[in-house]
Amino acid sequence: EAQVTQNPRYLITVTGKKLTVTCSQNMNHEYMSWYRQDPGLGLRQIYYSMNVEVTDKGDVPEGYKVSRKEKRNFPLILESPSPNQTSLYFCASRHTGTGGYEQYFGPGTRLTVT
Amino acid sequence: AQTVTQSQPEMSVQEAETVTLSCTYDTSENNYYLFWYKQPPSRQMILVIRQEAYKQQNATENRFSVNFQKAAKSFSLKISDSQLGDTAMYFCAFMNLGAGNNRKLIWGLGTSLAVNP
Repeated sequence: EAQVTQNPRYLITVTGKKLTVTCSQNMNHEYMSWYRQDPGLGLRQIYYSMNVEVTDKGDVPEGYKVSRKEKRNFPLILESPSPNQTSLYFCASRHTGTGGYEQYFGPGTRLTVT
Repeated sequence: AQTVTQSQPEMSVQEAETVTLSCTYDTSENNYYLFWYKQPPSRQMILVIRQEAYKQQNATENRFSVNFQKAAKSFSLKISDSQLGDTAMYFCAFMNLGAGNNRKLIWGLGTSLAVNP
C-alpha cells in the first residue's frame, strides 16, 4: 500500500529536550516536505527536499532541522523544542515531474512542548 | 505573493443535499494547479479534487465537482448528495508551476463542514 508514515503520532515533551519525528514514504517520491498546522494559521511549510541531499527552508524554518540521506526518509529534528512549537505536524511527498502534483500526507504528529 | 481565501469558516448541510464551498485566490501566474483537500476528524489530509489552470473543463470526482472561474480567480467545491462521512474541514490550496519555485502548496484557512442527519 502506497503511504507516508510518521512516528510518533503523539508526543509530549519538555522544553529543550531534543526530539526527532520520522517520516518515510514507499512511493519513490523525489519531493518531501514538512508542514505545521495551527488553528487560525492553516498549514505552513517548514522545510522541503527536492531529492536526496537537497533540502531548503520553507516559510517557518526557525527552530527546526531536516536531513535527506535516503530517498524514502525525511526526519524533522527539533534540537531545543520550545512551547511555541506545540503543533500538529504533517509530512508529505510527491513526484517532482509532471502529472498531477498530488501530495500524499502522513497521518500527522501531535506535538506538545511543556 | 499568492494567497488563498476561504470566506466561509463554517458551514452545515442536511444529509443528501448539495453544498458549495467557496475559494478565491490571488496570483499573477498563468500556470498553476488548484486543489481541494479534506481533513476529517482523524486529521488525515485527503485529496478530494484537483484542477489544472489551463484546462477550461471543470474537474469532477463522483459527488464532488468544482466551478473554476479563472478570470475571477475563483475555485468553488460542490458536494452533491452530502453524506455524514463528508463532515470534515475542507482546505483549498494553490500550487504555482512556474520555474524557480519549490511548487509548494499555499493553503486557505479552511471551511469546517458539518453534514447533519
